[in-house]
Amino acid sequence: QSALTQPASVSGSPGQSITISCTGTSTDVGGYNYVSWYQQHPGKAPKLIIHDVSDRPSGISNRFSGSKSGNTASLTISGLQAEDEGDYYCGSYTTRGSLGWVFGGGTKLTVL
Amino acid sequence: EVQLVESGGDLVQPGGSLRLSCEASGFTFSIYWMSWVRQAPGKGLEWVANINQDGSEKYYVDSVKGRFTVSRDKAKNSLFLQMNTLRAEDTAVYYCARSPSPAKSDSWGQGTLVIVSS
Repeated sequence: QSALTQPASVSGSPGQSITISCTGTSTDVGGYNYVSWYQQHPGKAPKLIIHDVSDRPSGISNRFSGSKSGNTASLTISGLQAEDEGDYYCGSYTTRGSLGWVFGGGTKLTVL
Repeated sequence: EVQLVESGGDLVQPGGSLRLSCEASGFTFSIYWMSWVRQAPGKGLEWVANINQDGSEKYYVDSVKGRFTVSRDKAKNSLFLQMNTLRAEDTAVYYCARSPSPAKSDSWGQGTLVIVSS
């Protein structure tokens, strides 16, 4: 069982917007602004798309945005494109149990 | 260009040991935290361990504490993961990742596969 909870799957049509939630507790998501999001395509390594809740690394499209409210972080992808299809993982710094890093179980995004 | 190249993955019997290596290039290795993250077949990401810039701080997920040891060699620009007393549930692709801070990674290697099976 993952420390952070994500929906198993989401879907949307090209051009639409989708939001993926990531729920934790006050010892991780809610307690620190150290939430990051990763995109992973089949057979590939994860790629950082959002860090520190809402910051985009250089080269990442502004169609990707992040936010946080309480113990829940969210990733929004606007203007869905076919190449956005893949798995998305949230991660957060944690002080629960092992001091370190926890991930969500991942969300499979299907572009219809 | 940042490059992280893992090696050392193999098929090993339960109870056995393995040492993973990650050779870094294209950036100043000594100023970054480094992390190991694994992904079991068909499963999600799981953080395994990380180490600070000079190796004085090391953190592990509970399931590997006492069995795995993370280390780094500044002269060789390399990160290591010594894995002992391996279990079937350690079977995964192990990724080396550059970490600007302890709980995020902005560059990942291609991964190396560890299979623990008799």
